[in-house]
Amino acid sequence: LAKTTQPISMDSYEGQEVNITCSHNNIATNDYITWYQQFPSQGPRFIIQGYKTKVTNEVASLFIPADRKSSTLSLPRVSLSDTAVYYCLVVPPGVGGSYIPTFGRGTSLIVHP
Amino acid sequence: DVKVTQSSRYLVKRTGEKVFLECVQDMDHENMFWYRQDPGLGLRLIYFSYDVKMKEKGDIPEGYSVSREKKERFSLILESASTNQTSMYLCASRTPGLAGEDEQFFGPGTRLTVL
Repeated sequence: LAKTTQPISMDSYEGQEVNITCSHNNIATNDYITWYQQFPSQGPRFIIQGYKTKVTNEVASLFIPADRKSSTLSLPRVSLSDTAVYYCLVVPPGVGGSYIPTFGRGTSLIVHP
Repeated sequence: DVKVTQSSRYLVKRTGEKVFLECVQDMDHENMFWYRQDPGLGLRLIYFSYDVKMKEKGDIPEGYSVSREKKERFSLILESASTNQTSMYLCASRTPGLAGEDEQFFGPGTRLTVL
């Protein structure tokens, strides 16, 4: 499984765009990149997943360069409620659920007024 | 909406007690997971289950066991609780997808304190 590396913490201010980069140098050809968000005192929730180029949904955008050795989660115009821990996972393809997820420590984002 | 529920939000037990943490999901998911979360260590997988009566060890299974007799229910058992098992315990479920799809649904967590 590809190992991921992301910053332990980040600080931002309301209204700014936040970009969290995850490195996954040994990502395999068919692996996907998945991001989860965890608010204080709650379980994580899935926010976005992608394979290449760019994916956008109502929560975030995910940018994946051509070499796929890193990915960037982009949160536009953050608010205080975006304060959370963000986890990057690399997910291999497979049928039957044999994949064992590895969340790691994630990136703790604190948004200041 | 997928719902994953855990039997307690907060639990206080004494060293040596047998502790049961229950998790129930209502979306007929095949896979279920138990994690623990500690400050500075992130989310670590204890056990997971592919399907009913199936279980696999995760990264930190020592001191824990699990039971999955029905598809919707996955129990985590601490045979003899110790203070180093004080932690937040999170349950999750998912249906395995193709091509790397991996959306896990988490419960609210149980904060266990062992005195």
